[in-house]
Amino acid sequence: EAEVAQSPRYKITEKSQAVAFWCDPISGHATLYWYRQILGQGPELLVQFQDESVVDDSQLPKDRFSAERLKGVDSTLKIQPAELGDSAMYLCASSLGLYSYEQYFGPGTRLTVT
Amino acid sequence: EDQVTQSPEALRLQEGESSSLNCSYTVSGLRGLFWYRQDPGKGPEFLFTLYSAGEEKEKERLKATLTKKESFLHITAPKPEDSATYLCAVQAGQGAQKLVFGQGTRLTINP
Repeated sequence: EAEVAQSPRYKITEKSQAVAFWCDPISGHATLYWYRQILGQGPELLVQFQDESVVDDSQLPKDRFSAERLKGVDSTLKIQPAELGDSAMYLCASSLGLYSYEQYFGPGTRLTVT
Repeated sequence: EDQVTQSPEALRLQEGESSSLNCSYTVSGLRGLFWYRQDPGKGPEFLFTLYSAGEEKEKERLKATLTKKESFLHITAPKPEDSATYLCAVQAGQGAQKLVFGQGTRLTINP
């Protein structure tokens, strides 16, 4: 069964350091999403791609966060510099297309900033 | 602004004790309502999509229903392996594709 792949699964970093997460969506899925989930809360969208183009990055803290999907397949989310408040689960999801399609999530990357 | 509220925050049941989880939503133009299951330390697992009031979907011991203001996830004769956090999300508005999630209901089934 096709799955969304993410790495690393866990990351511990010191504040002010740079950190990067990688996501490989389900093959054939044109739309890719990055969500952040704080413990005890639901996921919140950070950025959405359609192929290689950004569709929605209104909730992405652009002073420190960046995301790219250069060839329209896999994607990288970067934080520089990391802050204590960035500790959370970072989830990647993909879907066939933009409208009313189910989104399938990867296992997530648990980030701890010390 | 689209809002999703789930209740209760936590629910503890005995094995075999049926119950329902609630998801209330306030959105402009619902395109779809989604239910996910999330185990600790893992990503959400897709369960159901509901598109219009009156629609129902079932999977094993779970049944999801939808009205114009809320959705219910009914769990019948639950087993300990049904223990998880259940998340409700909506996709709404013209041109909007993102999911807006509730905070989840943490369900524990005791043997």
